[in-house]
Amino acid sequence: GAVVSQHPSRVICKSGTSVKIECRSLDFQATTMFWYRQFPKKSLMLMATSNEGSKATYEQGVEKDKFLINHASLTLSTLTVTSAHPEDSSFYICSARPRQGASYNEQFFGPGTRLTVL
Amino acid sequence: GQQVMQIPQYQHVQEGEDFTTYCNSSTTLSNIQWYKQRPGGHPVFLIQLVKSGEVKKQKRLTFQFGEAKKNSSLHITATQTTDVGTYFCAGKHNQGGKLIFGQGTELSVKP
Repeated sequence: GAVVSQHPSRVICKSGTSVKIECRSLDFQATTMFWYRQFPKKSLMLMATSNEGSKATYEQGVEKDKFLINHASLTLSTLTVTSAHPEDSSFYICSARPRQGASYNEQFFGPGTRLTVL
Repeated sequence: GQQVMQIPQYQHVQEGEDFTTYCNSSTTLSNIQWYKQRPGGHPVFLIQLVKSGEVKKQKRLTFQFGEAKKNSSLHITATQTTDVGTYFCAGKHNQGGKLIFGQGTELSVKP
């Protein structure tokens, strides 16, 4: 159990286009989902915390108009990178925290999305 | 801001040798979690420590949480090539708060 999927796994786009990444909890409900960014051989940098039915909380230095987050249901959160530029190229990983149960404090990570902006 | 420091950044060992990675926070943590990320993969949850002085074992892996709840360690006994990957600690400074990741320790094991 506790599987999180991410789609797409890889995306290559032209500079100036927008890219949407989906994060789904497949077998549990997640009131909270998190979006991270990871550069090669670096740690995970929390971008924002997404709560179902409310606005996302962005970390300092993360542009909310650049990285649009929508948490439409208890199993789906989306991250849209608007007007992507080469410096937005990175590995984006989401995680989901179960709504309840023994795993409440755990975060289950999706497989990540590798974004390359040309 | 709140940070979790992790050392070393890299560790290269011969298969069969032991390995330890350390995490340290300047402030008390409510809990600490450990994750493993294989090359090209995503972080996978290993364990969570909550109590002061807690020690947990998973086969060859031993996890410790310091008495002051400010530091933690992961020790692997007799490493195997399957242990290769980056090990991250991640701490919370308050219950329900955000998880702050350490920089990770990349382990390579030479057969």
